[in-house]
Amino acid sequence: AQSVTQPDIHITVSEGASLELRCNYSYGATPYLFWYVQSPGQGLQLLLKYFSGDTLVQGIKGFEAEFKRSQSSFNLRKPSVHWSDAAEYFCAVVPDSNYQLIWGAGTKLIIKP
Amino acid sequence: DTEVTQTPKHLVMGMTNKKSLKCEQHMGHRAMYWYKQKAKKPPELMFVYSYEKLSINESVPSRFSPECPNSSLLNLHLHALQPEDSALYLCASSQEVSFEAFFGQGTRLTVV
Repeated sequence: AQSVTQPDIHITVSEGASLELRCNYSYGATPYLFWYVQSPGQGLQLLLKYFSGDTLVQGIKGFEAEFKRSQSSFNLRKPSVHWSDAAEYFCAVVPDSNYQLIWGAGTKLIIKP
Repeated sequence: DTEVTQTPKHLVMGMTNKKSLKCEQHMGHRAMYWYKQKAKKPPELMFVYSYEKLSINESVPSRFSPECPNSSLLNLHLHALQPEDSALYLCASSQEVSFEAFFGQGTRLTVV
């Protein structure tokens, strides 16, 4: 079945440390790929997207993600996290132009002072 | 203007009430969505409107009734809800279906 996997339910990182959140998908073709962030009780904000072209994409708030076709992955990275980055992060995939967003389960990011 | 505006932000309603959630966008997007999100879960798609026509209804109970009066507005009419319908209801829009979606801040609904 088509799916999006975020293997880490939560991750704890010290402020100033680097971050990588994992996302894997199971589709044959290259889908559209997205990362969204959600602060408690808020809506979702798009961090970045990949449709085609350069496999390293830059997003807002200093985030970047790399699409690796061979690994069916789209991992999110940030070189130095800030306390304000504490939130829930969702990876989402559109497998085909006629399909809707398929969501991962989310990863909760906790920042240690 | 890159905002999707939802009203109200919070709503408490009884199981016999009728209420409506409203969503507005002025980005010229032609696809609009309603999602339901329970705590610690990803959003679940409820309805999709494309060019003001309902294109997807994800087997949502009839106590939820969507309406798209024009290309900028999306409503969700609620009637005879159950306590398990309590959730965050999110509206989103995108340029076309499958393009990146922009989300509103949501309506926190509590059914008592």
